[in-house]
Amino acid sequence: QVHLQQWGAGLLKPSETLSLTCAVNLGSFSGYYWSWLRQPPGKGLEWIGEINDSGNTYFNPSLKSRLIMSLDTSKNEFSLTLSSVTAADTAFYYCARLQGPLTVAGLRYFDYWGQGSLVTVSS
Amino acid sequence: HSVLTQPPSASGTPGQRVTISCSGSSSNIGSNPVYWYQHIPGSAPQLLISRNNQRPSGVPDRFSGSQSGTSASLAISGLRSEDEADYFCATWDDSLNSRVFGVGTKLTVL
Repeated sequence: QVHLQQWGAGLLKPSETLSLTCAVNLGSFSGYYWSWLRQPPGKGLEWIGEINDSGNTYFNPSLKSRLIMSLDTSKNEFSLTLSSVTAADTAFYYCARLQGPLTVAGLRYFDYWGQGSLVTVSS
Repeated sequence: HSVLTQPPSASGTPGQRVTISCSGSSSNIGSNPVYWYQHIPGSAPQLLISRNNQRPSGVPDRFSGSQSGTSASLAISGLRSEDEADYFCATWDDSLNSRVFGVGTKLTVL
């Protein structure tokens, strides 16, 4: 059973940088995209972006300018960095694995998720 | 606001059939398959329906999905108390070049 365990700072001040890491307990990164999503309290899910082990990425255009995603195959970890955070970035953040063809984004779906972590941005 | 439109809530009594709608546009539901997830707060979302109407292994046949034009729907028959959860639809949007979601529908079993 694949298990995703995520961690990172839970309380940030405006203008600081959000950093989260997700560790995958088994298997290979190869053949999948690895994604970050978030859900502001009381609102719907928002896709942040996804990355595969070849370094190919898809980013939410509204976040792209502040976003870095990386993947460390030696540690079976992938990470999210979001700079210049504001209160609007307050949300539950999830990491997840995408199953499906690497060449067609619309045919990939989330099959495993991390437990989620609340990130609050407040002065 | 969410790109895909879902009713915020739905309800039914045990044994009833409930349908949850997901409305989009030609660039998302009209062009790409829809996936439905069940999310019980405190746990990870679970895939219920893949590619509009396919049930992954382990998902009861009480759950079914359909898609027509720019809309999709999830039907739950023989409603049970353990079906009480949030349900959201998801797909890819070719114009936004992004994965998009519905806001989620909170299902209450009365």
